[in-house]
Amino acid sequence: DADVTQTPRNRITKTGKRIMLECSQTKGHDRMYWYRQDPGLGLRLIYYSFDVKDINKGEISDGYSVSRQAQAKFSLSLESAIPNQTALYFCATSDLKFAGTDTQYFGPGTRLTVL
Amino acid sequence: DAKTTQPPSMDCAEGRAANLPCNHSTISGNEYVYWYRQIHSQGPQYIIHGLKNNETNEMASLIITEDRKSSTLILPHATLRDTAVYYCIVTGGSQGNLIFGKGTKLSVKP
Repeated sequence: DADVTQTPRNRITKTGKRIMLECSQTKGHDRMYWYRQDPGLGLRLIYYSFDVKDINKGEISDGYSVSRQAQAKFSLSLESAIPNQTALYFCATSDLKFAGTDTQYFGPGTRLTVL
Repeated sequence: DAKTTQPPSMDCAEGRAANLPCNHSTISGNEYVYWYRQIHSQGPQYIIHGLKNNETNEMASLIITEDRKSSTLILPHATLRDTAVYYCIVTGGSQGNLIFGKGTKLSVKP
């Protein structure tokens, strides 16, 4: 969905380097999420944010940090990248219209390789 | 762990209906059934969701059993572009956590 963009789309880096993945959305949604996907597996939640002042850890937050710079921007950082962080990373957004439904819309993904 | 059970793979002939089953026997009264799909390594795409009633949109139909313990996603006229991994997800939604299992890999064949 072009309304959710991720940069970079591909990145190769070395162990120990600091990496930032960025996500921007034009959907006007309050909620944003970061997931990672390993080969052959489903997506796992890293962090999520329900508004600019709200940050929550997901299932696998260790080794990651996030920043919600504005409603439209949510960045994921790897302070010191390690090889097992090699994965596909997806950003998603949602807008809770009423209690119980929270459809998420995903970006195209960033393929990160840590050597 | 995912709250749903799906077959790992299915085949469907192009032009025919694809019926993808999902079991969610532990679903709670306030939880919705969502379906997403992922084509190759692209970002997952929302398809449809429902609570109790059957739902239909331009992409698919969702049939939920009366006891809500299972559901079926129907792609009425599958095309080659529908080849993807389909994820059935049960969620209350408000907590923001989609739990993706391994899904069903649907292969649409000419």
